[in-house]
Amino acid sequence: QSVLTQPPSVSGAPGQRVTISCTGSSSNIGAGFDVHWYQHLPGTAPKLLIYLNSHRPSGVPDRFSGSKSGTSASLAITGLQAEDEADYYCQSYDTNLSNWVFGGGTKLTVL
Amino acid sequence: EVQLVDSGGGLVQPGGSLRLSCAASGFIVSGTYMNWVRQAPGKGLEWVSVIYSAGSTSYADSVKGRFTISRDNSKNMLYLQINDLRVEDTAVYYCARGGADGGNFDVWGRGTLVTVSS
Repeated sequence: QSVLTQPPSVSGAPGQRVTISCTGSSSNIGAGFDVHWYQHLPGTAPKLLIYLNSHRPSGVPDRFSGSKSGTSASLAITGLQAEDEADYYCQSYDTNLSNWVFGGGTKLTVL
Repeated sequence: EVQLVDSGGGLVQPGGSLRLSCAASGFIVSGTYMNWVRQAPGKGLEWVSVIYSAGSTSYADSVKGRFTISRDNSKNMLYLQINDLRVEDTAVYYCARGGADGGNFDVWGRGTLVTVSS
């Protein structure tokens, strides 16, 4: 059971908007720790998609956006494209574990 | 180009040992915090260990006492010594650079597979 909870899967048609939630607690997201998001295609290196809750690294399209509120965060993807089909992970820090922690991952399917 | 290339995985019997390596290029490993993250088959990502620029280290409870992270500044390499391997250590192991903005992992290797089986 992951410390950060994500839906196992989401789906959407090309061009649509999808959101992926990441629910934490008072020992991680709720404690003020930042949330970061990664895109991972099997067999490849995970890619940092969003850092510090809402910032995009250079080269990440503005179709990807992040937000954080209270004990939760979310990743939004607009204008879905076939190449967006991947696993997405949120990540933060947990004071109880004194560890960085990941969500369980969400598989995005582009219909 | 900033790049990480991890290697050293393989098939090991329970109780065995392995040393994973991560070759860095385009930056200096001792200048930031370097990590190992793993993904067991069908599971999500799990942070394993970190070595900070000052040399201090930290481990996930699941590997404490069995795994040792280290680096060779002269070779710009990161290592993970894994001892007393258990079936549940079977995973793809990724080295990952700590981001300058803090708390994230901004460059990753492609991973090396460790399989623990008799």
